[in-house]
Amino acid sequence: KNQVEQSPQSLIILEGKNCTLQCNYTVSPFSNLRWYKQDTGRGPVSLTIMTFSENTKSNGRYTATLDADTKQSSLHITASQLSDSASYICVVSLSGSARQLTFGSGTQLTVLP
Amino acid sequence: EPEVTQTPSHQVTQMGQEVILRCVPISNHLYFYWYRQILGQKVEFLVSFYNNEISEKSEIFDDQFSVERPDGSNFTLKIRSTKLEDSAMYFCASRLPGRENQPQHFGDGTRLSIL
Repeated sequence: KNQVEQSPQSLIILEGKNCTLQCNYTVSPFSNLRWYKQDTGRGPVSLTIMTFSENTKSNGRYTATLDADTKQSSLHITASQLSDSASYICVVSLSGSARQLTFGSGTQLTVLP
Repeated sequence: EPEVTQTPSHQVTQMGQEVILRCVPISNHLYFYWYRQILGQKVEFLVSFYNNEISEKSEIFDDQFSVERPDGSNFTLKIRSTKLEDSAMYFCASRLPGRENQPQHFGDGTRLSIL
C-alpha cells in the first residue's frame, strides 16, 4: 500500500531556531515529492516540488532534500519565524498517475516567541 | 497572485440532502481536483478532471459524487444523498497544463457539516 509517514507529529521551537522535519514514503512508482504548508483553516500551499533526480531544492528559508534510494525526504526551516507555525505536509505523486497525490499526516510546527 | 476560490466556506446540510460545493479555479489552469480532509485526518484525493472529463477517481468517489464544469469557470462537486461520514473539509485545487510536477494550487476549502 502506498504510504507517506512523517515525523515528528508535532514540534515546538523558539523563534529564530532551525528545525528539520522528516518524511518516509513507500509510494511506487514515484514521480515527485512535494512539501506543503497548511495554516489552520486554510488550504495547503506548495513550498517545494522535487523529482526523483533532484536531491535538494530551496524556497527562501525552506530547504527540502530527497533521497530516492532510501525513500526519505526532509524539510529544513532556517531562522524560524512566528508565521512558520503551521502543519507541514509531505505529499508524494505516483508516476503514471500524475494527477493523484498521497498525503502524509503532517508535522504540526509551533514557533514560540 | 491569482487564487482558487471556494464557496461556501461552511455548509450545513441535513443527512440525505444533496449538496453542491463550488470552486473557481485559476483562470489559465486546465487540471482540476477535489480533495477532502476529515477532521484530524490526512488529506485524501477524490477526483481529477481534465478536458471536461474525469481523469482519475479514488474509491471514495462513489456514485453519490459527481463533478461538473458547467460554464468554463466554475468547477463543482455534488454529493447526491449526503451521509454523516461526508462531514469533512473539501478542497478544490487546480494547476497549469504541462509537466506533471507543476504545483497544485488549493482553495481554502468548504467545511461540510452533515446533521
